Amino acid sequence: EDQVTQSPEALRLQEGESSSLNCSYTVSGLRGLFWYRQDPGKGPEFLFTLYSAGEEKEKERLKATLTKKESFLHITAPKPEDSATYLCAVQALGNAGNMLTFGGGTRLMVKP
Amino acid sequence: DSGVTQTPKHLITATGQRVTLRCSPRSGDLSVYWYQQSLDQGLQFLIQYYNGEERAKGNILERFSAQQFPDLHSELNLSSLELGDSALYFCASTSRSGEVYFGPGTRLTVL
Repeated sequence: EDQVTQSPEALRLQEGESSSLNCSYTVSGLRGLFWYRQDPGKGPEFLFTLYSAGEEKEKERLKATLTKKESFLHITAPKPEDSATYLCAVQALGNAGNMLTFGGGTRLMVKP
Repeated sequence: DSGVTQTPKHLITATGQRVTLRCSPRSGDLSVYWYQQSLDQGLQFLIQYYNGEERAKGNILERFSAQQFPDLHSELNLSSLELGDSALYFCASTSRSGEVYFGPGTRLTVL
């Protein structure tokens, strides 16, 4: 069974204080690892998809990296508007439907 | 705006009732996925349709059913509603490059 664990559950940062969010996964074969941002009551907003170990992707203050067992979302010099829940999900090879299995998320709060 | 649309935004109903949630995928996307998000369960996959046919099933209750129509929009039907069915219901579609985009969701409250 595919499993995704995110840590920490919650993270408080001061504006400008860089940090990393962790996503550990267990999957029979990885098709892709997805990162989303979700604001309260809204739909998940697509950030990145990573497909193979060693791959990195960047978008503004966010950088996602992937190893064979985990992914990190690095946030550089965060701003209050980066406050949200960040979700990680895996898509396994061999699944007919290519559905996503999600972790529980990391709630990020950035204080000015 | 992801391009995935869902209606209604909010739905309040009573136990035992039946409701229908509607979703239109992004233009050109053939797949539609339904997910449920509750406070204690996180995002859970329910069911997927691809070009009108059911492709995969997740933790979907027998009281729930879905279909995808020829114009590719999809409907999720929830019947004999219980208090525990209160949740956010999201629809998603997959682009040709494999990215999965979610709609804004329908918040269902069962009283």
